[in-house]
Amino acid sequence: NAGVTQTPKFRVLKTGQSMTLLCAQDMNHEYMYWYRQDPGMGLRLIHYSVGEGTTAKGEVPDGYNVSRLKKQNFLLGLESAAPSQTSVYFCASSYGWYNEQFFGPGTRLTVL
Amino acid sequence: GESVGLHLPTLSVQEGDNSIINCAYSNSASDYFIWYKQESGKGPQFIIDIRSNMDKRQGQRVTVLLNKTVKHLSLQIAATQPGDSAVYFCAVKEGAQKLVFGQGTRLTINP
Repeated sequence: NAGVTQTPKFRVLKTGQSMTLLCAQDMNHEYMYWYRQDPGMGLRLIHYSVGEGTTAKGEVPDGYNVSRLKKQNFLLGLESAAPSQTSVYFCASSYGWYNEQFFGPGTRLTVL
Repeated sequence: GESVGLHLPTLSVQEGDNSIINCAYSNSASDYFIWYKQESGKGPQFIIDIRSNMDKRQGQRVTVLLNKTVKHLSLQIAATQPGDSAVYFCAVKEGAQKLVFGQGTRLTINP
């Protein structure tokens, strides 16, 4: 039981490049989330999904897109990376809103 | 929207003492509260949660207290150990589908 996994662990992009972060969970959770964490700050929700085929905007969605084609996977895309998107990205999953969220190990992204 | 804040960005305690980490929130309609622990280089890890119909909940060496009157919650860690060193976040559920995290308190344990 791997829990929540994220790939890649590290990535460096140049401004304007695109990339996709992959999150996978093996706990059969309906809910999945993407957060970003900046130095000295708490986590901010980017997008979330309440089930396969559904996505919704969180607190800071601009510049990101997501897809949930399979229940176990939640993809976060950056179409044209900007230095302001330099951050650590965490994926999480849960059974529902009133249940604990299980977090992945994070992806450290640097945009030059 | 919701505002979630912690009273102290850092807290230093002696090993074996009890630790108390505080969190304040602004939305009186918030009904679910969670504490997470984040060790360096890792993702947050669930510690304990509490719903608004409770004032206190206990886990193993941890207790969460909720005071809805002043919109304040706290995390108490008994007999603090070196392994408790981490950043602690409170998270508050706002509205139907949003969880707002505080900025975190870094707990340092002195031997």
